[in-house]
Amino acid sequence: TQTVSQSDAHVTVFEGDSVELRCNYSYGGSIYLSWYIQHHGHGLQFLLKYYSGNPVVQGVNGFEAEFSKSDSSFHLRKASVHWSDSAVYFCAVSPLPGTGSNRLTFGKGTKFSLIP
Amino acid sequence: DMKVTQMPRYLIKRMGENVLLECGQDMSHETMYWYRQDPGLGLQLIYISYDVDSNSEGDIPKGYRVSRKKREHFSLILDSAKTNQTSVYFCASSPGTGGEQYFGPGTRLTVL
Repeated sequence: TQTVSQSDAHVTVFEGDSVELRCNYSYGGSIYLSWYIQHHGHGLQFLLKYYSGNPVVQGVNGFEAEFSKSDSSFHLRKASVHWSDSAVYFCAVSPLPGTGSNRLTFGKGTKFSLIP
Repeated sequence: DMKVTQMPRYLIKRMGENVLLECGQDMSHETMYWYRQDPGLGLQLIYISYDVDSNSEGDIPKGYRVSRKKREHFSLILDSAKTNQTSVYFCASSPGTGGEQYFGPGTRLTVL
């Protein structure tokens, strides 16, 4: 059974601050790890993913995420946030393609907002 | 530009009426999905389609059925809608490379 835990329901920072959104997972085999962003009133948008290689992966708009096998984590970071980054962020895991399932398991999401 | 479209964007129906939600994609993706999103429950998978006429139940298929007669088009049907099917419905497609899905803008369905 795959599980994805996003421990922070809501994160708030000032514009220009850095942010880290946490994601922990449990799964018994090889997986893809992904992050998605959902702006209010819109669908989810793919940000980045990791499968193997360099544990730090770069995404769009200055986002990056770091995989840690020892911590079973895949935290999302951004060095300097902007108002347009306010959204809900979802972490997801999926098995390897061709293993019988193409489905993603999503976390509950972290709502990220900036302090006015 | 890669795109997933959904029609209609907003829909109000009465309990017992039939509902048809349509989804299209222009990326020739084999795999498509229907989800619903409710506050506090996150995204719940209703159905997966692996290709034309190759559909599988997700986690909450009861009360829903799907149809996929062309690769680029995937429909969600509610026969005799219920009030607890009021939700935002998202369609998505996947290139099959793992970890990536592309979502449509959603359909907000209200069943009165």
